[in-house]
Amino acid sequence: DTEVTQTPKHLVMGMTNKKSLKCEQHMGHRAMYWYKQKAKKPPELMFVYSYEKLSINESVPSRFSPECPNSSLLNLHLHALQPEDSALYLCASSLLFQATNEKLFFGSGTQLSVL
Amino acid sequence: AQKVTQAQTEISVVEKEDVTLDCVYETRDTTYYLFWYKQPPSGELVFLIRRNSFDEQNEISGRYSWNFQKSTSSFNFTITASQVVDSAVYFCALSESVRSGYSTLTFGKGTMLLVSP
Repeated sequence: DTEVTQTPKHLVMGMTNKKSLKCEQHMGHRAMYWYKQKAKKPPELMFVYSYEKLSINESVPSRFSPECPNSSLLNLHLHALQPEDSALYLCASSLLFQATNEKLFFGSGTQLSVL
Repeated sequence: AQKVTQAQTEISVVEKEDVTLDCVYETRDTTYYLFWYKQPPSGELVFLIRRNSFDEQNEISGRYSWNFQKSTSSFNFTITASQVVDSAVYFCALSESVRSGYSTLTFGKGTMLLVSP
């Protein structure tokens, strides 16, 4: 199994809603990532979890709240989002984190629209 | 600071043509890794290749080939006999040596390749 699975594939939410994005991998990877990608732009790193602990938070607003319940799951809780938060949210995993040559495995993403 | 430049925003070719995607990078490190990822319309980024800074040997994998030239800080990607399924956005990325306990990828802006029948 070399897949990273993300749900839902599409999400439309209002600015007062609370929703969660989910990501799952069963490759035994100990690093998991959230990226945000706007249209026609490269992915931007948001968070990194290494061994279920938050290792990097790239100054992401608190309306985005990550959670790593176990080594296979990664969630991104969304609350009071703004229309400019509309984007493709990509989850990725890698075997380890503290290595220069880590190959990332990406999910297909959740296309989020905030109305 | 590290930087990756993909000057070609969009390339259009007809099937069976060869196409080269350019990537130029900047880094102060002597140890680093370069990557290419493919992002088809379905959304997920697919790893294509990883190359370390000490290995300038060019690589061929089927219709794909990569030319790494340290002297010009370039890591170009060529698709031979392109196919419609090659249509995607291609990202070049750089990972420097571990600093402050971690290393992350710097992506270029991507090149959209459109292959028409």
